Amino acid sequence: NAGVMQNPRHLVRRRGQEARLRCSPMKGHSHVYWYRQLPEEGLKFMVYLQKENIIDESGMPKERFSAEFPKEGPSILRIQQVVRGDSAAYFCASSPTRAGEKLFFGSGTQLSVL
Amino acid sequence: QQQVKQSPQSLIVQKGGIPIINCAYENTAFDYFPWYQQFPGKGPALLIAIRPDVSEKKEGRFTISFNKSAKQFSLHIMDSQPGDSATYFCAARGQGGSEKLVFGKGTKLTVNP
Repeated sequence: NAGVMQNPRHLVRRRGQEARLRCSPMKGHSHVYWYRQLPEEGLKFMVYLQKENIIDESGMPKERFSAEFPKEGPSILRIQQVVRGDSAAYFCASSPTRAGEKLFFGSGTQLSVL
Repeated sequence: QQQVKQSPQSLIVQKGGIPIINCAYENTAFDYFPWYQQFPGKGPALLIAIRPDVSEKKEGRFTISFNKSAKQFSLHIMDSQPGDSATYFCAARGQGGSEKLVFGKGTKLTVNP
């Protein structure tokens, strides 16, 4: 039973490029959360999605960031026109229920913006 | 505004010691308080969790103590081992449909042999 799979593990982008981060939740999980972690900081909530729906995007910047969780395929976090301040570790977590308990995290994508 | 304050930032103990990590929260609507353990290069993993109607919960060597009136909770690791060296995060979840977790800034624990 594979865990939460994130790819790529490391992503290097130049300023102005697009970054696309993928997350495949655990089998049977239809709830996906994205968190961002900066060095020496805790995880900051970005967005919560269910299949084909964004439930809560209150932590996601209004511009340049978007997320989706289609009926088929992984959840995607997209960052357009990246800036150096976007450099961080991005973690995806999945849960079998809406309650947000028992979150299972992936190993993250480390985004570096040059 | 940080809603969950965690201390200390780092902690070093000898093998067999009992490290204690503390967290304080402000929002009385929080209804679920988990602790996560994170090793370098890995995602956080759920360690243990508690609800505010319970004052203490034990799972193996890990214990959460919860003080609802003081809005504080802490993690105790009994008989700590070098393999426990990791970063520990406390978190809290809002009720009423807000499922997102609010995390503390983390405590880097080092257990020396």
